[in-house]
Amino acid sequence: KNEVEQSPQNLTAQEGEFITINCSYSVGISALHWLQQHPGGGIVSLFMLSSGKKKHGRLIATINIQEKHSSLHITASHPRDSAVYICAVSFLDPIRSKLTFGTGTRLQVTL
Amino acid sequence: ETGVTQSPTHLIKTRGQQVTLRCSSQSGHNTVSWYQQALGQGPQFIFQYYREEENGRGNFPPRFSGLQFPNYSSELNVNALELDDSALYLCASSPGLPTDTQYFGPGTRLTVL
Repeated sequence: KNEVEQSPQNLTAQEGEFITINCSYSVGISALHWLQQHPGGGIVSLFMLSSGKKKHGRLIATINIQEKHSSLHITASHPRDSAVYICAVSFLDPIRSKLTFGTGTRLQVTL
Repeated sequence: ETGVTQSPTHLIKTRGQQVTLRCSSQSGHNTVSWYQQALGQGPQFIFQYYREEENGRGNFPPRFSGLQFPNYSSELNVNALELDDSALYLCASSPGLPTDTQYFGPGTRLTVL
């Protein structure tokens, strides 16, 4: 069974803190996506990774293919980072670009 | 701004009715996937279209059907609505490779009474 697990489910941080959200998956993948979902529903793609590390502003995403694990880091967190962060993967699957999602990590950053 | 739009934004239907949800993708995005997101859950894959052909389907009954058009728009149709169909419906488009970035629409929130 293909599965994507995220931790923690909920996270509260104070402004300025360094945040890490973890994602693990069960079988081989072609790509892993980190997504952000704000209240109201819209999803924004933050990163797409197949190896290594990517950085965009205060966000850093890493992936370890051998360990089937990825992390999303937020440096110097800010209340506007409050959102649900979702890990999604494209398994090595006949259906191209099909994503399997984790249940998300709800992040609340307070002043 | 992802360049993917969905309509309508919100919709209320009653049990047994039929509904059509629409998605407009970026030009050149040959793949569109539809997902259902129940409250508090991650999105679940409904089906995918590639160049107007269904390219795979998740664990959803046949009353969920779709179409993709040459102008990069697509539809999700749901017949015989049930209360459990109440959810946020998301479409996502990409040029077509598994490693492509996915571009999500804002979603349509469907409420079935």
